Amino acid sequence: QKEVEQDPGPLSVPEGAIVSLNCTYSNSAFQYFMWYRQYSRKGPELLMYTYSSGNKEDGRFTAQVDKSSKYISLFIRDSQPSDSATYLCAMRGLGAGSYQLTFGKGTKLSVIP
Amino acid sequence: EAGVAQSPRYKIIEKRQSVAFWCNPISGHATLYWYQQILGQGPKLLIQFQNNGVVDDSQLPKDRFSAERLKGVDSTLKIQPAKLEDSAVYLCASSPNRGDNEQFFGPGTRLTVL
Repeated sequence: QKEVEQDPGPLSVPEGAIVSLNCTYSNSAFQYFMWYRQYSRKGPELLMYTYSSGNKEDGRFTAQVDKSSKYISLFIRDSQPSDSATYLCAMRGLGAGSYQLTFGKGTKLSVIP
Repeated sequence: EAGVAQSPRYKIIEKRQSVAFWCNPISGHATLYWYQQILGQGPKLLIQFQNNGVVDDSQLPKDRFSAERLKGVDSTLKIQPAKLEDSAVYLCASSPNRGDNEQFFGPGTRLTVL
C-alpha cells in the first residue's frame, strides 16, 4: 500500500460546479497536509496547507483534514476554466527527519466552459 | 522576485549516455530540492541540500545519479549512464528553510531516454 493514494482521474466538470478532490494516507505521523496545483508543462505551486485536523478556507478553495480517517479533501467552489490543472496532495511529519514531502499521484481536472 | 530557473527545458539522449541539469534557486533560499516526476506520478524527492550540504539523499540512485551545490547557490544534477526508466521531468525547488511547507518549483527539465 502506497503511503499516499490519490485518484488520478481525469475529472471533467462544467464551469461553476463544485469540485471535490481527495487523498487517503496510511502514515499516522503525517501532520502537515498540502495541496499543490500543477499546470501543464509547469512546476507545482502551493495552493494551501493545513496543520493537523480541521478546515481552512482561502477564497474559492477549502481544505479539510480528517486525521481519524486519514482522509484529506480540497473543495473548489464556482470552478473556472483557469482551474484546469493537475492537483497534487502532499504531506509530511513534524520535526527534523520528517521534512520530506510525500506526494500523491495527482488528479487531473478539466473545467469545461 | 525571480523564480527558480532550470535548464535545459528539454533533453533527448540515448541510453548509456550522460546528462546534466542545472538549477538556480530563488535568491536567499537556503534549501534546494531535486525531484523526479515520472509521467502520471507525483514528484519524488531525489536529494535535498541545506546551503551546500546534503541533508537527505536516501532516494537518490547513487550508482548513476550525482548532485552538487557548490557555494550553496546553484546546483547540478547528473545522470551517468542513463537508463530508459530515467525518462521523466526533473524538477528543482527551493525554500527559505528546511521544513517549509511552501516549496517554489522551477518549470522542470523533461528528459527522454531512447
